[in-house]
Amino acid sequence: QVQLQESGPGLVKPSETLSLTCTVSGGPISGYYWSWIRQPPGKRLEWIGYVHYSGSTNYNPSLQSRVTISVDTSKNQFSLRLTSVTAADTAVYYCARRRYGVLDYWGQGTLVTVSS
Amino acid sequence: EVVLTQSPGTLSLSPGERATLSCRASQSISSRFLAWYQQNPGQAPRLLIYGASSRATGIPDRFSGSGSGTDFTLTISRLEPEDFAVYYCQQYDSSPRTFGQGTKVEIK
Repeated sequence: QVQLQESGPGLVKPSETLSLTCTVSGGPISGYYWSWIRQPPGKRLEWIGYVHYSGSTNYNPSLQSRVTISVDTSKNQFSLRLTSVTAADTAVYYCARRRYGVLDYWGQGTLVTVSS
Repeated sequence: EVVLTQSPGTLSLSPGERATLSCRASQSISSRFLAWYQQNPGQAPRLLIYGASSRATGIPDRFSGSGSGTDFTLTISRLEPEDFAVYYCQQYDSSPRTFGQGTKVEIK
């Protein structure tokens, strides 16, 4: 059974960089695309982007100037960096596996609050 | 960007009843690249339906999806207690991938 677990700081100051890591267990990271999705409090899910195990990426245009998603196949991990954060970036951040376009395995999510 | 609008916002039903959830897209979704997810409070979403009508692994057959173009439907034939949750549709036909705002199915 594939499992994903997000990790990283739960509190980030405005204008700083949000960094999260997703560790994949129970299956290989190779061969798949890996995604980040977020959900601000009381709002709909928002797709952030995805990375292929080869390193190629695709980002939401609304975040493209601030986001980087990378993969480390040796550690079975992939990561999210979001720069210049504001309160609008406060959300539960999920990592997920993308297969044939859909998200079939998800992490439990981690709340990141942007506040001074 | 494809905007997905779900209706109703909240559906109040009793266990055993039939639930019909709608998802309408702002432009046609080709090849039926439409998925449905279920989310319980404090939990991650779970994939229910992909390709508009194919059930994901382990999903009971009381869940069914239909539709094409801009209009899609998720039907739960007989609500079980664990089905009271929020349901999201998602399109994966074009980038950026987008989600609907969700329909909450609550116990009447």
